[in-house]
Amino acid sequence: DVKVTQSSRYLVKRTGEKVFLECVQDMDHENMFWYRQDPGLGLRLIYFSYDVKMKEKGDIPEGYSVSREKKERFSLILESASTNQTSMYLCASRTTGSSQPQHFGDGTRLSIL
Amino acid sequence: GQQVMQIPQYQHVQEGEDFTTYCNSSTTLSNIQWYKQRPGGHPVFLIQLVKSGEVKKQKRLTFQFGEAKKNSSLHITATQTTDVGTYFCAGPDSNYQLIWGAGTKLIIKP
Repeated sequence: DVKVTQSSRYLVKRTGEKVFLECVQDMDHENMFWYRQDPGLGLRLIYFSYDVKMKEKGDIPEGYSVSREKKERFSLILESASTNQTSMYLCASRTTGSSQPQHFGDGTRLSIL
Repeated sequence: GQQVMQIPQYQHVQEGEDFTTYCNSSTTLSNIQWYKQRPGGHPVFLIQLVKSGEVKKQKRLTFQFGEAKKNSSLHITATQTTDVGTYFCAGPDSNYQLIWGAGTKLIIKP
């Protein structure tokens, strides 16, 4: 089974802090994704990566950046956290091919105070 | 931009009643995927539909893909407490990334 591990289940940070969310997958998947999930809005794509050191903006990249230095690890960075970034963050990975299913981590519930 | 609309947002049913959620895309989809997210959990892939008019069944779950490949539905017959959760549809956009519906939350009335 695919295992996608997110570093924290819950995280509380202060406005203006730089926040790092880490995600590791163990199935050698090429593609990795960061979503945020808010009630009534479904999953919205922040950034994705289809290869090491490659990154592409999703639908809501403002205020975020990402890093993919190794194939198995995809990091989401909040450069200067703001209260409107309080949300559930989900990492996912899949093998190549848009028809392939995505496999998700357990999520990080981030609160910005 | 491309949108995937999903209704209803919530559905309350008595255990044993049926449940249906509907997805409608603003554009033709090459495929549509369905996921289930249990309370406190993460989305888990259920199935993918590819062909126009396709119908697939998984036990009490029936998935349909419309003839025009712009809409889809998930029907659960005789709901059980294990069916509780939020069901999402998702289809690829022009960049091959998934656009997600807002989800339908299935709630079983006590």
